[in-house]
Amino acid sequence: SQTIHQWPATLVQPVGSPLSLECTVEGTSNPNLYWYRQAAGRGLQLLFYSVGIGQISSEVPQNLSASRPQDRQFILSSKKLLLSDSGFYLCAWSSGIANSPLHFGNGTRLTVT
Amino acid sequence: GQQLNQSPQSMFIQEGEDVSMNCTSSSIFNTWLWYKQDPGEGPVLLIALYKAGELTSNGRLTAQFGITRKDSFLNISASIPSDVGIYFCAGTTSGTYKYIFGTGTRLKVLA
Repeated sequence: SQTIHQWPATLVQPVGSPLSLECTVEGTSNPNLYWYRQAAGRGLQLLFYSVGIGQISSEVPQNLSASRPQDRQFILSSKKLLLSDSGFYLCAWSSGIANSPLHFGNGTRLTVT
Repeated sequence: GQQLNQSPQSMFIQEGEDVSMNCTSSSIFNTWLWYKQDPGEGPVLLIALYKAGELTSNGRLTAQFGITRKDSFLNISASIPSDVGIYFCAGTTSGTYKYIFGTGTRLKVLA
């Protein structure tokens, strides 16, 4: 069966510090990978998605970037965090078949102080 | 851009009552998904819908893909305390890998 791992679960970082959140998927090949952000009490905002290694689509201009160095690895990064980057970050995967559903990890709670 | 309006935003119900919530889109979707999110966790897929008019059940949950393809409905029958959480709808159009999410319905069940 397929599993998705995100880490760390929680993170407190000062303004201006770098960020690296990692997500890996097991049990499937060539998944589509996604990063979503959820502000407190709000819905999910799509940040990035990837349909293959090295292919990244950005949905919202922002202080973040994403990379996919391996087929089942997706990384969310920032060079300098802003207070507004605080939130709940969710990684998700779907199969390469069109319209297949998303499956989420357990998220990373990021607090920028 | 595409928007999903989900209603109600929140609801308090008595244990044993039935619950209904819906999502409407400004665009035609060809897939609708319904998720439940517990505090501090990622959303968990409840039901996936792929055809207009489709009615699909998962235990006490039933979801429908609206005929216009611009809306979807989720019903929960005989609610129990563990139904508490946030329910999200999500949809996508043909030819894209992007899912748009609704703003969520926060459900609280009073024992």
